[in-house]
Amino acid sequence: GIQVEQSPPDLILQEGANSTLRCNFSDSVNNLQWFHQNPWGQLINLFYIPSGTKQNGRLSATTVATERYSLLYISSSQTTDSGVYFCAAGLTGGGNKLTFGTGTQLKVEL
Amino acid sequence: EAGVAQSPRYKIIEKRQSVAFWCNPISGHATLYWYQQILGQGPKLLIQFQNNGVVDDSQLPKDRFSAERLKGVDSTLKIQPAKLEDSAVYLCASTPVDGRTDTQYFGPGTRLTVL
Repeated sequence: GIQVEQSPPDLILQEGANSTLRCNFSDSVNNLQWFHQNPWGQLINLFYIPSGTKQNGRLSATTVATERYSLLYISSSQTTDSGVYFCAAGLTGGGNKLTFGTGTQLKVEL
Repeated sequence: EAGVAQSPRYKIIEKRQSVAFWCNPISGHATLYWYQQILGQGPKLLIQFQNNGVVDDSQLPKDRFSAERLKGVDSTLKIQPAKLEDSAVYLCASTPVDGRTDTQYFGPGTRLTVL
């Protein structure tokens, strides 16, 4: 099956700093999603981005499917950005089954 | 629009007991997923339904886990008997089948502790 690796595993930022999270996947995929899991455990979908670039406020994501990686950019980080960021990849032909990475634990400090 | 609902939010049981979790997906979402998330790991798919049919249950431990989706809407996941290693958060997610997106929407999860 598809393998998904994320880096870095942990990240501590000062409020206002920028960061880049990386997701590598082992096979060709046509379904790539980024999620944020807040400290209360709720998973929120940030982007559905099988290819190309999308932006939503201070967050943006880029997926280069041919090179099997995706990047999540967080600009001007805030304490509310703290939590775990997961990348998940899959094939829509496979019933939209997603394989999740192990996540990047982000802590934003004042 | 109401989100994915799950209950209970927390459950503590003794090993070898049985437990059931309930999920109500977003209205109109045809695809429903159950995931298991062990502490420190990403969610792992247990079972996927399309309407009331099973699409993928390859990672469901069928000797103790069972799931059903009633009338293509609500779903229940059952564990009988529970083991210590079943302690985890059980997440339900749903996806619209409209061809425009495969975005998965997650419920708040049920945190299970097996003692």
